[in-house]
Amino acid sequence: DIQMTQSPSSLSASIGDRVTITCRASQSISSHLNWYQQKPGKAPKLLIYAASSLQSGVPSRFSGSGSGTDFTLTISSLQPEDFAIFYCQQSSITPYTFGQGTKLEIK
Amino acid sequence: EVHLVESGGGLVQPGGSLRLSCAASGFTFSSYTINWVRQAPGKGLEWVSYISSGSNTIYYADSVKGRFTISRDNAKNSVYLQMNSLRAEDTAVYYCARGYYDTSGYSHFDYWGQGTLVTVSS
Repeated sequence: DIQMTQSPSSLSASIGDRVTITCRASQSISSHLNWYQQKPGKAPKLLIYAASSLQSGVPSRFSGSGSGTDFTLTISSLQPEDFAIFYCQQSSITPYTFGQGTKLEIK
Repeated sequence: EVHLVESGGGLVQPGGSLRLSCAASGFTFSSYTINWVRQAPGKGLEWVSYISSGSNTIYYADSVKGRFTISRDNAKNSVYLQMNSLRAEDTAVYYCARGYYDTSGYSHFDYWGQGTLVTVSS
């Protein structure tokens, strides 16, 4: 199975900050990497697919980059509604594994 | 508008069975793959199972293989997850999620249901 490792596991930041979350795959997955945001009690929401494509309706302050084994999710200017848990997921091969999550909290 | 609605969750004893349903609307159901993803209380996301649009291809996580069975009825716009020999570690919110494949062959889960809670306990 492909292991997905996110860092950091938690992060405190302020409104307006630029934030970067990293996801590393245990083997190359080309660009088969997706990012999801989950708020308490809610289903995950797709933010970024194919490593760098912005899902329709998602604000442009979210961006993704990377290929192979190393990927990043960047939020250019944090807004109050962005505080949540973020997950990366590889969709290269089953089992479609997720990272352990990064909890983004308000400083 | 795309909607996925899970149902069938509840409290079941260890060793028992439960059948989850995922009812879809707002899109051409027979053209899309569906996945089940679960989340144990306070934990992260775990992919559980996949079914192709025509049921030709099915995959399971090792943790549920041999105990869970995924199926779909395209006439009813529904996917099912039959869960047998349930264990305490199967306790989780179960989500169904639509799989989307773009023209480059990349896939993602673009729509999710609200989830249904399965609790395995005596």
